[in-house]
Amino acid sequence: EPEVTQTPSHQVTQMGQEVILRCVPISNHLYFYWYRQILGQKVEFLVSFYNNEISEKSEIFDDQFSVERPDGSNFTLKIRSTKLEDSAMYFCASSESKTLAVAKNIQYFGAGTRLSVL
Amino acid sequence: AQKITQTQPGMFVQEKEAVTLDCTYDTSDPSYGLFWYKQPSSGEMIFLIYQGSYDQQNATEGRYSLNFQKARKSANLVISASQLGDSAMYFCAMREGWELTGGGNKLTFGTGTQLKVEL
Repeated sequence: EPEVTQTPSHQVTQMGQEVILRCVPISNHLYFYWYRQILGQKVEFLVSFYNNEISEKSEIFDDQFSVERPDGSNFTLKIRSTKLEDSAMYFCASSESKTLAVAKNIQYFGAGTRLSVL
Repeated sequence: AQKITQTQPGMFVQEKEAVTLDCTYDTSDPSYGLFWYKQPSSGEMIFLIYQGSYDQQNATEGRYSLNFQKARKSANLVISASQLGDSAMYFCAMREGWELTGGGNKLTFGTGTQLKVEL
């Protein structure tokens, strides 16, 4: 069964360092997302990406964050200068695009990357 | 106001019993979708079930069903015949509106309900 793949599963970094979190969405999906979950809290939307551009972003997604689809399979989230409060589980998700006016458009999530900023 | 409210931080159920996890939502958009995800202790988010705002019937997926009461803005998840493997955190989420292509809208999550299935 197709799945969203995220690497690494755990990333430890020093405050102020840049990190890149990687995701391989499901191959026929066209919409990509990043969410984060701070330990013990709810899942929060960061950004959605379609047709090689950001389609929506939250207030969390400031200038320190960027996303990229560098090739036909990978989708990355970069944090330029990490802060302690960036420590969280980061989830990548993807969904199909359908031409129907009404569609489930279910988002399938990867297993997450746990980012620890020291 | 919270978009998604899950009032049960923790629930216990006996194996083989049914359990209902509550979810209420708040939106003024007539077009929306409601989702339930399961998060085991290993951390991944697993899609369980979907209910669209225009769906006439309650959604069912195997042992999972959704008790959708539109007027009350509730979308409770019912798990029948609970199994030990059902022990996990369960999140209710909503997508408000959708584009004609059917995609691109963020999910808003509730705070989750931790379910523990006991022997």
